[in-house]
This record gives sequence, structure tokens and C-alpha cells, in this order.
Amino acid sequence: AQSVTQLGSHVSVSEGALVLLRCNYSSSVPPYLFWYVQYPNQGLQLLLKYTTGATLVKGINGFEAEFKKSETSFHLTKPSAHMSDAAEYFCAVRAWSGGYQKVTFGTGTKLQVIP
Amino acid sequence: NAGVTQTPKFRVLKTGQSMTLLCAQDMNHEYMYWYRQDPGMGLRLIHYSVGEGTTAKGEVPDGYNVSRLKKQNFLLGLESAAPSQTSVYFCASSYARVADTQYFGPGTRLTVL
Repeated sequence: AQSVTQLGSHVSVSEGALVLLRCNYSSSVPPYLFWYVQYPNQGLQLLLKYTTGATLVKGINGFEAEFKKSETSFHLTKPSAHMSDAAEYFCAVRAWSGGYQKVTFGTGTKLQVIP
Repeated sequence: NAGVTQTPKFRVLKTGQSMTLLCAQDMNHEYMYWYRQDPGMGLRLIHYSVGEGTTAKGEVPDGYNVSRLKKQNFLLGLESAAPSQTSVYFCASSYARVADTQYFGPGTRLTVL
């Protein structure tokens, strides 16, 4: 079985504050993990992904995420929030399962940035 | 290079009507996907295709059909629309490896009255 849990459907931070969006996953095989961002009325855009190798992954717009196998987590962080970061963020896990790719998205976290 | 495009952007249907959503990609990707996005439920996979002429069911396939006659196009059909199919539909494409990035289209907002 494969699943993704994003803790907190809404997160509010002040401009300049740390952004932390949580993602926990379960997968019976080694997973590939992704974070996407969705701005209003737009499609999803890749922020970063973990495939193999270094567990700290850097993405676009100053975001990064750390893959922690022992905690089955892939939390997204940014040291200093900017107004333009207000959007919805989705964590996703992909893995081979039963001979085909299985993709599972979390339910999303809406980030509000307060001036 | 347009990436992934979707037609139409908006559509309103009456219950029982049919329609087809078109997805096109110009990146020569093998895999293509159709998702629906509903508030609080994230993205759910409807159908996907691993290559021309090959399609498979995803998580929520009931009420939808798909076809991939050409590598660059992936069609999603609703034969008899129901209000429960009111949603935003996203198409995506990727290369075949699990690690490859999915590229998403801008979405189609469908309302079924």
C-alpha cells in the first residue's frame, strides 16, 4: 500500500518567518518523493524531488526538503517566507507497484503569508 | 515548446450530456495521465497511458473513458455526465522512469448541472 499524509490543510506564517510544510508517506518499496506548488487557477509545478542519493534536496524559489527514511517523512522548508510563496503545496509519492507506476498525492496544504 | 496543453479551459454540461477533454504534449513523453482535483481531496488519478494505444485505470475510473491514438494526445471522455463529475481536471505527462518529473497542464474546470 502507498499513501501520503500532509499535516495541516492550512498553514499561516508571517512574511520573513520559517515555512515548514509536513509530509509523511508510506510505501512498501523504495519511494520517489515530490513536492509540487499550485498557484490559483494554474496547474502544478515541480518544486523539488528526491530520487536517490543526497537526502537533503534543494528546489526552486529557495525551498528544500529532507528525506528521512526512519521517520518516513519528506518535510518542505524555506528559511524566510515571501508573499509570493502563498499557494497550495502538494506532496506526492511514486513507486513501482505490481508492474506499473503508482502515483499518490497528498491532500494539499494551503500556505498563507501574512505581511 | 508549449509543454502540456488542455482543451477546453472551461465547460458547463447538463446531466447526461457527453464531452471529450483533449490533452496534448510536445515533449515526446511516453506516459500521460488524467487527474481530477476536488477540494480537500488532492489529485486523484482517473486513467493513465504508458504509450500509444495503451491505457489503464487509475484510482477513480468509473464514468470516464480514455484513448491515446497518437503519442502526443490523450483524450478523456465522459459519456453521460453526472453532477459528481463536477471538478477540475488536470492532464500530465512524463518520461517512463519513476523518478521523472510529471509536467501538468493548466486544467479544465468542468461543471455538470
